[in-house]
Amino acid sequence: GAVVSQHPSRVICKSGTSVKIECRSLDFQATTMFWYRQFPKKSLMLMATSNEGSKATYEQGVEKDKFLINHASLTLSTLTVTSAHPEDSSFYICSVLTGNTEAFFGQGTRLTVV
Amino acid sequence: AQSVTQPDIHITVSEGASLELRCNYSYGATPYLFWYVQSPGQGLQLLLKYFSGDTLVQGIKGFEAEFKRSQSSFNLRKPSVHWSDAAEYFCAVSRDGYNKLIFGAGTRLAVHP
Repeated sequence: GAVVSQHPSRVICKSGTSVKIECRSLDFQATTMFWYRQFPKKSLMLMATSNEGSKATYEQGVEKDKFLINHASLTLSTLTVTSAHPEDSSFYICSVLTGNTEAFFGQGTRLTVV
Repeated sequence: AQSVTQPDIHITVSEGASLELRCNYSYGATPYLFWYVQSPGQGLQLLLKYFSGDTLVQGIKGFEAEFKRSQSSFNLRKPSVHWSDAAEYFCAVSRDGYNKLIFGAGTRLAVHP
């Protein structure tokens, strides 16, 4: 199957700083990527859909100014958590769609804001 | 709105025992249904999916699932569990293939030797 690399796997940052998470598709071009967030003991919740070369589509309740998504190339999408606060601490996972034949997931990023 | 319920947060079984993980969904039409497994440090891996046709679906690693429309369920089964099956299992639903999956909260499976 396709390989999706997410980096970093863990990050700790101070409150008020910004953190960038990268999602790369290593062996194919991905026109669509998804960003999910998982709270402890909760479902993975879709945050946004990222399409190469266009603005991301955010789900209801997700602050687009706080969670900046950039999908500048067919192999890379980034999620930047701006002015992070402790409540942003969570597990973030990206997913890459391959022509709607299958979705492949990254390993996830554990963000801790202190 | 679509939703997925996995009633069991944790399940512990003995190696060699049978397994059934429950999944119920709420959706107005026939959904696309998925089961994923996540091992520590790994991404989610697709075990199996139901899009249409035969309601009993075979997946990888010896897993199968049955779509029961009348019960709005898509339970995952395995006849004999191996220690390597210990992981977290997620049921998911969508209205459009792999686009915008809605996940359940997950069931963490522990396997006793």
